[in-house]
Amino acid sequence: DTGVSQDPRHKITKRGQNVTFRCDPISEHNRLYWYRQTLGQGPEFLTYFQNEAQLEKSRLLSDRFSAERPKGSFSTLEIQRTEQGDSAMYLCASSRTTENGYTFGSGTRLTVV
Amino acid sequence: DQQVKQNSPSLSVQEGRISILNCDYTNSMFDYFLWYKKYPAEGPTFLISISSIKDKNEDGRFTVFLNKSAKHLSLHIVPSQPGDSAVYFCAASANNNAGNMLTFGGGTRLMVKP
Repeated sequence: DTGVSQDPRHKITKRGQNVTFRCDPISEHNRLYWYRQTLGQGPEFLTYFQNEAQLEKSRLLSDRFSAERPKGSFSTLEIQRTEQGDSAMYLCASSRTTENGYTFGSGTRLTVV
Repeated sequence: DQQVKQNSPSLSVQEGRISILNCDYTNSMFDYFLWYKKYPAEGPTFLISISSIKDKNEDGRFTVFLNKSAKHLSLHIVPSQPGDSAVYFCAASANNNAGNMLTFGGGTRLMVKP
């Protein structure tokens, strides 16, 4: 197991375009999280899944954002009609239910131009 | 409203000396605290944690201290090594948070000089 994998590592897109990121968690982890980190700030919670169910969404997650985790395995995060303010590092993490800490992926850096 | 704060954006320490990173929180429901280390272009990696039933947890060169009355925790690294140079984030979670969501501080950049 190579840990939490995120794809792509970098994405540059024009304002108004849609983008989709993928996260492959550690296989035995049933919890999956998405966080966003902007320059000089700590990661901010966006949403989390327990298996395939999306159980919590932050108010940071506007209607333009949608996340899925079909079959409780990999997850996708889609941003529609991107804005310059969406430029950030998008981090995925996973954990077992019994754990308090997460394992993070290396993130996807999004730049909206 | 920042519930977890790291008031020092950066810290510079000489190799071999002690590094002390501080973190304050405001939410009294937080009962589990973690420290993560982050290198450039990588995701945060878990370093050490502490439950609110303890006031100290030690793992090798790393020790975390928790002062619940002051809502303050600190990470001590001794002796500091150049490879410890990274951004350190403290994070907190609340037991009544069924999803175990973490609230992070803004980070402290540690530079250990050889």
